[in-house]
Amino acid sequence: GESVGLHLPTLSVQEGDNSIINCAYSNSASDYFIWYKQESGKGPQFIIDIRSNMDKRQGQRVTVLLNKTVKHLSLQIAATQPGDSAVYFCADNAGGTSYGKLTFGQGTILTVHP
Amino acid sequence: NAGVTQTPKFQVLKTGQSMTLQCAQDMNHNSMYWYRQDPGMGLRLIYYSASEGTTDKGEVPNGYNVSRLNKREFSLRLESAAPSQTSVYFCASRYGRTEAFFGQGTRLTVV
Repeated sequence: GESVGLHLPTLSVQEGDNSIINCAYSNSASDYFIWYKQESGKGPQFIIDIRSNMDKRQGQRVTVLLNKTVKHLSLQIAATQPGDSAVYFCADNAGGTSYGKLTFGQGTILTVHP
Repeated sequence: NAGVTQTPKFQVLKTGQSMTLQCAQDMNHNSMYWYRQDPGMGLRLIYYSASEGTTDKGEVPNGYNVSRLNKREFSLRLESAAPSQTSVYFCASRYGRTEAFFGQGTRLTVV
């Protein structure tokens, strides 16, 4: 992902709905991707990751989908709860000579209404 | 385990002053990172250290310097603070190609 210095997009859902948060990345050499959740006043917290040799990975209530053809990543949250309200970021790990470089996407503000 | 510890948590500087933000991790991670996050925005990579003894520029390195003091510690220095450097600074660490763990952030205001 690359931060483009824009204010964050928002997604509002009702409690119990499924949420889908999208992320585009630009580096075709990226081979590892992470989703983070950030609550107000806190540092980002790990949710789920996926490597480039996979196209889907599931966790508890979350699923990450990776489409390398169009350089797109999505995070699906099942049965969204008010506690899921936060900012969600994707991050990608560059390969090759930029080994170790971890950059973040723009982020999405998720608001869950009871 | 303390994880990633950043000091200070809050700081106010006058324009032109210098300061060093400290970061230490106790997880034996090889890679460490400094990010800045402006209000309502994403995280932008300032510098990173893929392993002890190496540092590399990220997306927004101008106005900053870093030192990987040892495997545990990675500091960020502002030589001459500017109002544009008002931000929340996050340090992170990780082992290899795994998830990064973040500190709680340093809230810096430059007046």
